This record gives sequence, structure tokens and C-alpha cells, in this order.
Amino acid sequence: NAGVTQTPKFRVLKTGQSMTLLCAQDMNHEYMYWYRQDPGMGLRLIHYSVGEGTTAKGEVPDGYNVSRLKKQNFLLGLESAAPSQTSVYFCASWVGNANTGELFFGEGSRLTVL
Amino acid sequence: QQQVKQSPQSLIVQKGGISIINCAYENTAFDYFPWYQQFPGKGPALLIAIRPDVSEKKEGRFTISFNKSAKQFSLHIMDSQPGDSATYFCAAVSGNTPLVFGKGTRLSVIA
Repeated sequence: NAGVTQTPKFRVLKTGQSMTLLCAQDMNHEYMYWYRQDPGMGLRLIHYSVGEGTTAKGEVPDGYNVSRLKKQNFLLGLESAAPSQTSVYFCASWVGNANTGELFFGEGSRLTVL
Repeated sequence: QQQVKQSPQSLIVQKGGISIINCAYENTAFDYFPWYQQFPGKGPALLIAIRPDVSEKKEGRFTISFNKSAKQFSLHIMDSQPGDSATYFCAAVSGNTPLVFGKGTRLSVIA
């Protein structure tokens, strides 16, 4: 049982390049999230999904796009990377039952934009 | 607008001491208050959580104290150990809406 798996774990991009981060969960969770973590800023929500085929904007969505074509996968795309997008990105999933509020996080993807 | 304010930003505690991290919120609709622990190079993981119908929850050396009228909650780590050194995030949520996280506290427990 792998939980939440993120790929790649590390990536270096040049300004203007594009890339996609993949998040996969094997817990059959309905809800999935993408966060970015920057020093002193905590965890900021980029986009999230409440089920297959749905997406919604979070706190800092600009410059990112997402897709949830399959329930187990949530993709985060950067169409034209900027140095301000240098960060550690975390994917998380939640079962969607209000009786248990536990988010399960992946181990992160460290992105550097030069 | 920061909905959950966490303090301090960093904390150094002697081994065996008590670590205290505080959080405050404004949204009275929040109904679940978890704390997450994050070790370097890892994702955050749920440590302990509380709902507003109780004032305290204890799990081992970790205790959440909750003050509904003051809209504040805190994490106490008793007998702090070097292995507790990590970043701690408080959070709050209402129903199925996304969690709102505090900015985190980096705890260092020194021998």
C-alpha cells in the first residue's frame, strides 16, 4: 500500500519551460489537493479536486493548471515556468468523510526554476 | 487573509522540557482542528486532532488544548525529545472545505 506517490521528486527547469507533476493515490480517496510549501509561508493550496473530472482553484492558482481524469491521479501542470514557482510541491488526498479529517500527503516534489 | 495564525515561527526547547505552539482562528464555522508534523524531506502527517465539543485531547506526550470562546487552540509536547524536532502545522476546516493551515513552527529540541 503505497499511499500517495508523487513523481518526479526533483526537477530543474529553465524559465518558460513546461512540466507536469503527477500524483497517484491508491486509497480510493475522493478528494485530492496540490499545495506548495515555501519558507515562512506554510502550506498554500494551489488547486484541489472533490472527485474524478472536477477541479477547483485554491489560494494560489495562477500559473498552474490541473486535471483529474482518473480518480486515482491528479496532475499539476506548469505551462511556462517562472522563478517564483521554485518551491516544494505536495500532493494530498482525503477520503471525503467528515468524520475523519486526515489528509495523506506525498513526500513532495522539489522544483527549481532557473 | 490568513485564517489561522500560528506562533511562534520557531522554537528551541531543552530535552525534557515542554514545547507549546499556539494557533488562533476567526472563522467560527471551523469544526475540526488537526495538527500535522513534518520531518525534513517528508510530507506532513497527522499528529493529533480535536473537535470543538471538547476542551482537551491527549495522546501520549502530545496534548491539544482548545478554547472555543477565545478561538484559540494549542499543542503541548511534554517531555520533549530530540526526535520531536520537526515542523508543526496547525490547521482548521469546516465540513468538506479544504484545510486551512497555519504557517508552521520549526521546533528544535536540544540535549
